[in-house]
Amino acid sequence: KQEVTQIPAALSVPEGENLVLNCSFTDSAIYNLQWFRQDPGKGLTSLLLIQSSQREQTSGRLNASLDKSSGRSTLYIAASQPGDSATYLCAASAGTALIFGKGTTLSVSS
Amino acid sequence: ETGVTQTPRHLVMGMTNKKSLKCEQHLGHNAMYWYKQSAKKPLELMFVYNFKEQTENNSVPSRFSPECPNSSHLFLHLHTLQPEDSALYLCASSQDTQGYTEAFFGQGTRLTVV
Repeated sequence: KQEVTQIPAALSVPEGENLVLNCSFTDSAIYNLQWFRQDPGKGLTSLLLIQSSQREQTSGRLNASLDKSSGRSTLYIAASQPGDSATYLCAASAGTALIFGKGTTLSVSS
Repeated sequence: ETGVTQTPRHLVMGMTNKKSLKCEQHLGHNAMYWYKQSAKKPLELMFVYNFKEQTENNSVPSRFSPECPNSSHLFLHLHTLQPEDSALYLCASSQDTQGYTEAFFGQGTRLTVV
């Protein structure tokens, strides 16, 4: 059974810092891995999708990497801003639906 | 409208009430999903529909009854719920259920059972 873990559960940084969020999964037989952002009480916004054959994807200040063999993915956020404050969720696709981690709640102070 | 739209955004219901959650996607996708998000827990898959047919029921109690009249619309009918059913209910869609495609989520319905 696929399990997804995100570390740390919460992170506080000052504005301008570069940071890394970690995601690990137990079954390397995934189709893809998605990173989402969730603001309090809101739905999920898709940030990046990495197919199983890819190593990384980039969108603006965000860069996500995938290492299937080690069961790990990282989300790198460059030059963090207060507007980046949210919960970041990773999800592994192992079949018909996504398996989610509990998320990392990021707080960026100005 | 674009994307995935859920209504209502907030719902308070008594344990004896019957209510329905609605989801509509404008992305031309063939697969739709219901997820439940409770405090301190990861999102939990509830139901999967592909081309209007239910393909997965993740051991969800019968007080939750999904309906998918077409590929663009998904409902979740609720009756005789329990307080522990209070949660954020999220609808999602994707091109198909093959696992390679990107999933898009709605804004969710915050359900409170009193």
